[in-house]
Amino acid sequence: DGGITQSPKYLFRKEGQNVTLSCEQNLNHDAMYWYRQDPGQGLRLIYYSQIVNDFQKGDIAEGYSVSREKKESFPLTVTSAQKNPTAFYLCASSGTSGPNTGELFFGEGSRLTVL
Amino acid sequence: AQSVTQLGSHVSVSEGALVLLRCNYSSSVPPYLFWYVQYPNQGLQLLLKYTSAATLVKGINGFEAEFKKSETSFHLTKPSAHMSDAAEYFCAGRGSYIPTFGRGTSLIVHP
Repeated sequence: DGGITQSPKYLFRKEGQNVTLSCEQNLNHDAMYWYRQDPGQGLRLIYYSQIVNDFQKGDIAEGYSVSREKKESFPLTVTSAQKNPTAFYLCASSGTSGPNTGELFFGEGSRLTVL
Repeated sequence: AQSVTQLGSHVSVSEGALVLLRCNYSSSVPPYLFWYVQYPNQGLQLLLKYTSAATLVKGINGFEAEFKKSETSFHLTKPSAHMSDAAEYFCAGRGSYIPTFGRGTSLIVHP
């Protein structure tokens, strides 16, 4: 079945460590997104990519990095520079043409906890 | 730039009562508008979407929303709440490549 797979679902990190969250999609979507979700704050955009080998910063990119070497993959690295990384992270993708244009398809999320 | 505002961070209803979750958007260009639902520790899933084909949009699980340009609103309704409707609901808009989300409304359903 087509969809988005995020891994791991739960992740614990010690302070000062970098961690990478995986996001893979087999929907043949051009655009991919990373959101951070904190209680009461909705979804905040970290990074997005509209095409392979290109990506842009969202509203809260500081302390995060991404790559888009393949259309299917958009991993997010939470670096030690991110001062408050404990959160729920959501990856999404969308098509840029056709009847589903604009609709986001989400993964199940990854919950990161800093110890 | 487009923005989306959800009125009320929490809405509480009794089982069987009408559900009304409010969403207003700001944009000079007719947008794509969406409602998503999120259950605890899960991703978001699409309830319904407006793409200018019809102002009254029907979605899954008995939900519907009406696009009102004069009020710049896209409120979500369901005639009769069910316990399984308890979740977080997000209104979202998309006037360009960047989706914009409201802060979410938590729907609480009492027996």
